[in-house]
Amino acid sequence: ETGVTQSPTHLIKTRGQQVTLRCSSQSGHNTVSWYQQALGQGPQFIFQYYREEENGRGNFPPRFSGLQFPNYSSELNVNALELDDSALYLCASSSRRTSGGQETQYFGPGTRLLVL
Amino acid sequence: AQKVTQAQTEISVVEKEDVTLDCVYETRDTTYYLFWYKQPPSGELVFLIRRNSFDEQNEISGRYSWNFQKSTSSFNFTITASQVVDSAVYFCALERGGGADGLTFGKGTHLIIQP
Repeated sequence: ETGVTQSPTHLIKTRGQQVTLRCSSQSGHNTVSWYQQALGQGPQFIFQYYREEENGRGNFPPRFSGLQFPNYSSELNVNALELDDSALYLCASSSRRTSGGQETQYFGPGTRLLVL
Repeated sequence: AQKVTQAQTEISVVEKEDVTLDCVYETRDTTYYLFWYKQPPSGELVFLIRRNSFDEQNEISGRYSWNFQKSTSSFNFTITASQVVDSAVYFCALERGGGADGLTFGKGTHLIIQP
């Protein structure tokens, strides 16, 4: 096991609602990245948080937002849920070096979101 | 833009056979990293290997081996003497130097090892 935890494991929401997913990073890691994995596809990068700020973002609309806390844990918030948001949401933690670059990303078990 | 192609959607072999999973990538960067992850039915992505663009040495870890060839932009993964526990979806991924753009994944290869 990686030591990366996510909650909840499963979630069912209806279209238009808002959802918050949570991730606790592995001990010693200071960076959290979020990915969306649709059924039968590879994970897609949503964004990354480092030192409590968004450090990079993929091609996702602003209704996908996040937070990172002083203990390096993180939240992913999705507003105005759409049917296409149904997916497995994966959190990955890593260690970013002050000199630049980062170490390997280790993934949590994911949260399965179903939007009806 | 970066891209990872895993042309094999699904591979089915009988236990103890050797199997190679193909990965071809595209990037304009000179510094980048390549990865393989395993995703069992539980959903968690399990890290297998990381390779930087300046290290073309092949690597072997037990029954697993990886062949990195910059000339063909490929990073193939071979499982020797496959076992049923190897059944999973395998993803190849690419990361730019710096890492702030996240990992770019291929669509994955579903490997089925039949007893």
